[in-house]
Amino acid sequence: DQQVKQNSPSLSVQEGRISILNCDYTNSMFDYFLWYKKYPAEGPTFLISISSIKDKNEDGRFTVFLNKSAKHLSLHIVPSQPGDSAVYFCAALSSGGYQKVTFGIGTKLQVIP
Amino acid sequence: DTEVTQTPKHLVMGMTNKKSLKCEQHMGHRAMYWYKQKAKKPPELMFVYSYEKLSINESVPSRFSPECPNSSLLNLHLHALQPEDSALYLCASSQRGAGLNYGYTFGSGTRLTVV
Repeated sequence: DQQVKQNSPSLSVQEGRISILNCDYTNSMFDYFLWYKKYPAEGPTFLISISSIKDKNEDGRFTVFLNKSAKHLSLHIVPSQPGDSAVYFCAALSSGGYQKVTFGIGTKLQVIP
Repeated sequence: DTEVTQTPKHLVMGMTNKKSLKCEQHMGHRAMYWYKQKAKKPPELMFVYSYEKLSINESVPSRFSPECPNSSLLNLHLHALQPEDSALYLCASSQRGAGLNYGYTFGSGTRLTVV
């Protein structure tokens, strides 16, 4: 039972355009969400997070949007750069628990120069 | 220091060997984690240590034995592994308690191959 779902296994975007990565979750107890970027044979690198008390968080080229009623979040990368090519994991946790992070299966982003 | 350091980066071991994976952080995080990641799958939680005490064991086989000697170190002792245990083993740490930034940080992982 996947509690965090990333339904697009891959995405290709032209350099300079917007990349939108989507994520859905099913567990209502999740109240903190994270996006990680991962290169092959490396650990996930934290990108950006959002608490359930907010609906938007922005950090440079990266913006995460949260729609709690739809249990949906998205990561926007503007403008996309070739160095952004990686696998992006959506993750969620419940602050009331032991901070177990539940990951989605990941979306492989390719930014084409 | 904002890193989680894992050693070794690569490990090949036989099914009768005993080996250990090591993880270290100096960010003052009091929660530390072991995750396992198979190819084309998301990381899956194995163990959680909170204030050096084992808080969560996600039904991991006993051939994996975690140890937290102090607040900065986390070990994973391996014994009698199977080839299907080959995976990327990730260590992570985070701040305890609620807040807007848990500082949940992963190490680069140990690529384990069991032969």
